[in-house]
Amino acid sequence: RKEVEQDPGPFNVPEGATVAFNCTYSNSASQSFFWYRQDCRKEPKLLMSVYSSGNEDGRFTAQLNRASQYISLLIRDSKLSDSATYLCVGSTSYGKLTFGQGTILTVHP
Amino acid sequence: GAGVSQSPSNKVTEKGKDVELRCDPISGHTALYWYRQRLGQGLEFLIYFQGNSAPDKSGLPSDRFSAERTGESVSTLTIQRTQQEDSAVYLCASSLEGTSGIEQYFGPGTRLTVT
Repeated sequence: RKEVEQDPGPFNVPEGATVAFNCTYSNSASQSFFWYRQDCRKEPKLLMSVYSSGNEDGRFTAQLNRASQYISLLIRDSKLSDSATYLCVGSTSYGKLTFGQGTILTVHP
Repeated sequence: GAGVSQSPSNKVTEKGKDVELRCDPISGHTALYWYRQRLGQGLEFLIYFQGNSAPDKSGLPSDRFSAERTGESVSTLTIQRTQQEDSAVYLCASSLEGTSGIEQYFGPGTRLTVT
């Protein structure tokens, strides 16, 4: 079983839609969690950190449930520019990142 | 300021040859990580450097892979006797320190193709 598992999608949604991605992790030693965004043939870039209290950044909301080892990302009012691969990521105490396979999102007009 | 840079951006090599990949981290970043991303897959951790501490090599897939870093500067990843399964994008990342929760900044990667 992979340490971080995501539904690979692809998700195809119209502009303005709300879309949710889920992720589960198996390593209880993981201390921090993130969502990274990766555009085609580009390097990953940090989208947002994920906290148990939940956190919001504009149209993006992330949530962590340590008890069920579950992480989510909600995107509201999708834009064409949101099309990308979204990577669920866990981090050890020294920063080693463990990546999920990624969820592909395509937002169409 | 300057981000993480990697060279070469693309490398095509014949099976059995050695290759050397280079990473220049962001100045002042003490932690440096190498990852590999095969086509259609997530990133896999390879190796981690933190200052002058012994590196964490737990992700290196075989003894054909090695990496070095001098102090808090440039790092090189060497793959000896390349195999076709080594074809991937090799990504380097750096962060201010090797601590959970600190953002890692990725370079553009080196796309390695072994023919």
